[in-house]
Amino acid sequence: DARVTQTPRHKVTEMGQEVTMRCQPILGHNTVFWYRQTMMQGLELLAYFRNRAPLDDSGMPKDRFSAEMPDATLATLKIQPSEPRDSAVYFCASADTGSYGYTFGSGTRLTVV
Amino acid sequence: QQQVKQSPQSLIVQKGGISIINCAYENTAFDYFPWYQQFPGKGPALLIAIRPDVSEKKEGRFTISFNKSAKQFSLHIMDSQPGDSATYFCAASTNTNAGKSTFGDGTTLTVKP
Repeated sequence: DARVTQTPRHKVTEMGQEVTMRCQPILGHNTVFWYRQTMMQGLELLAYFRNRAPLDDSGMPKDRFSAEMPDATLATLKIQPSEPRDSAVYFCASADTGSYGYTFGSGTRLTVV
Repeated sequence: QQQVKQSPQSLIVQKGGISIINCAYENTAFDYFPWYQQFPGKGPALLIAIRPDVSEKKEGRFTISFNKSAKQFSLHIMDSQPGDSATYFCAASTNTNAGKSTFGDGTTLTVKP
């Protein structure tokens, strides 16, 4: 089965450190989403890309978060500097134009201490 | 703005019973309504989806019922099994926003043996 691959699966870091999360979307999918999941906020859309171009990053705190797609096989989400309130599970998902349904990765569980 | 409201927040059902989860939406431009199933430690997985031109869609034990006039849709799980215990999310999206989905807050289903 084709899958979305996220690395790392778990990350524990100290407050103030830079965190980089990576995502390999399904080959051929041209839309990539970054979601954050917490108990309090549920699934929040942070940013998404189509054909590597950012379409919407209004869900991201701009001062510390950044998302990029250096190429069609890699999407990155960076947090600099990280804060304890950033602790959450970050999911990447990909989709093909017109398919609507997403395929999610297994997520990166981030803990900022 | 909460555009997709999901209820109940949690649900306990006996094995063999029917599980029903409800969602209501506000934006009449939504034209795709998927349900996702999430197991602990995993990303959400697309379970079943419906478009507003039909009132019901069935796949195995899972059925979506859709009421366009009431702007509501629901997931029915027939003959619920302990393996169905998971968190279920409804979502809605439109063709005009590159498939970006708005998610409900999720329902944690527990099926007791």
